[in-house]
Amino acid sequence: AQTVTQSQPEMSVQEAETVTLSCTYDTSENNYYLFWYKQPPSRQMILVIRQEAYKQQNATENRFSVNFQKAAKSFSLKISDSQLGDTAMYFCAFRYLIQGAQKLVFGQGTRLTINP
Amino acid sequence: KAGVTQTPRYLIKTRGQQVTLSCSPISGHRSVSWYQQTPGQGLQFLFEYFSETQRNKGNFPGRFSGRQFSNSRSEMNVSTLELGDSALYLCASGGQGDTNYGYTFGSGTRLTVV
Repeated sequence: AQTVTQSQPEMSVQEAETVTLSCTYDTSENNYYLFWYKQPPSRQMILVIRQEAYKQQNATENRFSVNFQKAAKSFSLKISDSQLGDTAMYFCAFRYLIQGAQKLVFGQGTRLTINP
Repeated sequence: KAGVTQTPRYLIKTRGQQVTLSCSPISGHRSVSWYQQTPGQGLQFLFEYFSETQRNKGNFPGRFSGRQFSNSRSEMNVSTLELGDSALYLCASGGQGDTNYGYTFGSGTRLTVV
């Protein structure tokens, strides 16, 4: 079974600090994608960053970067220079194909609060 | 480019009733997936439709069903509602060339069963 684990239910940092959210996953698949989604109070799930498993280079999107350790099945998200607007639930997700259909498995989420 | 539209945004139903939720994907997308989000269980996959066919189904009872129309709009139906069905129901659309690799989410429908 494919599982995603986020071990930090809640985190809180001061504005402008750097914060790292942890995620581990378990899979026997070789070809998959990993994502970090942000869900603000507006409820919409917004893609923050994605990583293809076959790529060794860590993905970066402006202030957001990942540390992808394939052998360790670890996929952490680093937010640099955090902003008040980064306050949200963050979900790590794993996407794979099953019988030709794609499936997305989510972790339980980390509630991140950025304090002024 | 319009995003994924889910209607209604909020819904209150009574136990035993049935409900239908709607999802209009991004124009040109043929895949629609549904997820249930609750505080206790997190985000759980319900089903995925592609070109009017259900391709994948999660571990939910038969009271949960869905369908997809020829214009790719999808509906999900929950019959004989239970209190535990109270949740945020999210829909995601995907298609070729989607830079989100198949998942652009709507804002969800908040269902409350009383």
